[in-house]
Amino acid sequence: DGGITQSPKYLFRKEGQNVTLSCEQNLNHDAMYWYRQDPGQGLRLIYYSQIVNDFQKGDIAEGYSVSREKKESFPLTVTSAQKNPTAFYLCASNTGTGVYEQYFGPGTRLTVT
Amino acid sequence: SQQGEEDPQALSIQEGENATMNCSYKTSINNLQWYRQNSGRGLVHLILIRSNEREKHSGRLRVTLDTSKKSSSLLITASRAADTASYFCATYSGYSTLTFGKGTMLLVSP
Repeated sequence: DGGITQSPKYLFRKEGQNVTLSCEQNLNHDAMYWYRQDPGQGLRLIYYSQIVNDFQKGDIAEGYSVSREKKESFPLTVTSAQKNPTAFYLCASNTGTGVYEQYFGPGTRLTVT
Repeated sequence: SQQGEEDPQALSIQEGENATMNCSYKTSINNLQWYRQNSGRGLVHLILIRSNEREKHSGRLRVTLDTSKKSSSLLITASRAADTASYFCATYSGYSTLTFGKGTMLLVSP
């Protein structure tokens, strides 16, 4: 089955801890994206990568970091510098840029207390 | 910054009725896309309409695009309870990535 997987589905962390969210795709897509979704806010872009070993900041990159060492993987680290990390995080991929539709993973709900 | 703004924020209808959602945007676009999100799930792509297209159909979905008014509409005909979801428009302006709106929550009651 081709698709995007995110793990875990639910994640709980204590304040001050870094946490890494996993995103894997087997669609052979070049581009991958991380979004944050808060109630009533829609999707906001955190980081995106159009090619391996390269990534760009989105609208709300502060407090987050990413890596793209493999084409199929784009992990997101939520650092302790992120002031309000509790949210629903969505990973997506496509063949490149916004010209094409994006395929989304099922999401990870992160709760930090 | 969010380019697309959906209207209404929420819509409640009965099964069998049509549902219309609107999206307005601010700058010129390359294409506009509509996505559906069931509660607690990822988004699913529904339809993409390019700036040189005026109307597109996919099953019970009809999308229109008016670039002079910078607006698009999504019509779902003969709605079913399974259509209950949030619907988002997303615009691509030729720079890097899609920009999503805040969405319309659709509730279809049996």
